[in-house]
Amino acid sequence: GIQVEQSPPDLILQEGANSTLRCNFSDSVNNLQWFHQNPWGQLINLFYIPSGTKQNGRLSATTVATERYSLLYISSSQTTDSGVYFCAVGVGNTGNQFYFGTGTSLTVIP
Amino acid sequence: DAGVIQSPRHEVTEMGQEVTLRCKPISGHNSLFWYRQTMMRGLELLIYFNNNVPIDDSGMPEDRFSAKMPNASFSTLKIQPSEPRDSAVYFCASSLGEGGNTIYFGEGSWLTVV
Repeated sequence: GIQVEQSPPDLILQEGANSTLRCNFSDSVNNLQWFHQNPWGQLINLFYIPSGTKQNGRLSATTVATERYSLLYISSSQTTDSGVYFCAVGVGNTGNQFYFGTGTSLTVIP
Repeated sequence: DAGVIQSPRHEVTEMGQEVTLRCKPISGHNSLFWYRQTMMRGLELLIYFNNNVPIDDSGMPEDRFSAKMPNASFSTLKIQPSEPRDSAVYFCASSLGEGGNTIYFGEGSWLTVV
């Protein structure tokens, strides 16, 4: 099956710092999404981004499908950004079978 | 919209007992997913339904696990008999249509088998 690897596995930031999270995948995918799992376990969709670049406030994401990677940028980090960030790639005929990466655990300290 | 609703939120059961987890997807969504999350294995796709039909159940760990979707607004994941290694958070998620659509997750069912 498809392999989805995320880096770094763990990240500690001072509040206000910027960071880049990376997702590499081993095969062609039909779509890709980024999620944030907060400390209470809720999984929140951040971006649906099979290709190109999107921005939402302090977050932005870029996917280069031909090179099989996606990046999530967090600018001016806040303590509420803490949690685990997952990318999920969609495969299969419908592109709807999503497989998750290993996650990046982010801790933002005040 | 109410979002994806799962029940129970927490369950503690004894080994050998039957466990039934329930999910109500977002109204109008026609794709439904069951995931399991553990520290060791991360988030695993167990089964995926489209228009109430199971499309891929290759992630279901063994015959003790079964999932049904009798109608567009309800799905169950059953474990019988349960074992301690089944302890995990089970998430249900739904999306609209096929291909490029956002997945929305429920809050999860936290299962502990003792």
